[in-house]
Amino acid sequence: SQQGEEDPQALSIQEGENATMNCSYKTSINNLQWYRQNSGRGLVHLILIRSNEREKHSGRLRVTLDTSKKSSSLLITASRAADTASYFCAPLSGAGSYQLTFGKGTKLSVIP
Amino acid sequence: EPEVTQTPSHQVTQMGQEVILRCVPISNHLYFYWYRQILGQKVEFLVSFYNNEISEKSEIFDDQFSVERPDGSNFTLKIRSTKLEDSAMYFCASRLQGRGQETQYFGPGTRLLVL
Repeated sequence: SQQGEEDPQALSIQEGENATMNCSYKTSINNLQWYRQNSGRGLVHLILIRSNEREKHSGRLRVTLDTSKKSSSLLITASRAADTASYFCAPLSGAGSYQLTFGKGTKLSVIP
Repeated sequence: EPEVTQTPSHQVTQMGQEVILRCVPISNHLYFYWYRQILGQKVEFLVSFYNNEISEKSEIFDDQFSVERPDGSNFTLKIRSTKLEDSAMYFCASRLQGRGQETQYFGPGTRLLVL
């Protein structure tokens, strides 16, 4: 596995606005996952996008993947205070046990 | 919806003591993991476990650590002689086997404090 680098490190928006966070990685992947962590709690899987996909939606989430630029973005539309959390990307390549390597994440604050 | 559970939620121990952290993965999952997160730092991979043996482990997972699946439901992490720097949140995760089953499901964590 490899570590993704999330950007920005912190993001503060008003409720109702959209939030965009980015992820870059270094080597080719099979898929890329996004996880959310509420303060000090367990990680929750949000969405997985495969290397042959360019865009994927799940509810208010939209993920894009650009394998030529080795980057992904996560868009949360119509944000809510409950979206306040840290968001992590996890690029996965190869086979094996698929252990995840997390970066520092993007800390999103949604202000009511 | 099935979920990964972990016990205890909090554990306080004295330096040098042994601790066992317990996890019950989702019942039909076959891959199990332990991660840890020191306060304010990244979530770090410790070990993965499949078919009753360790499949991969990180540099953090030294001889002080061991994992076991003592029965058909529990998955444990043992720290033999705890150090102050073992204080962290420990997360268990599990997933299904096979291609297309890369999603991991995390438990709520055990907060370990070593004094």
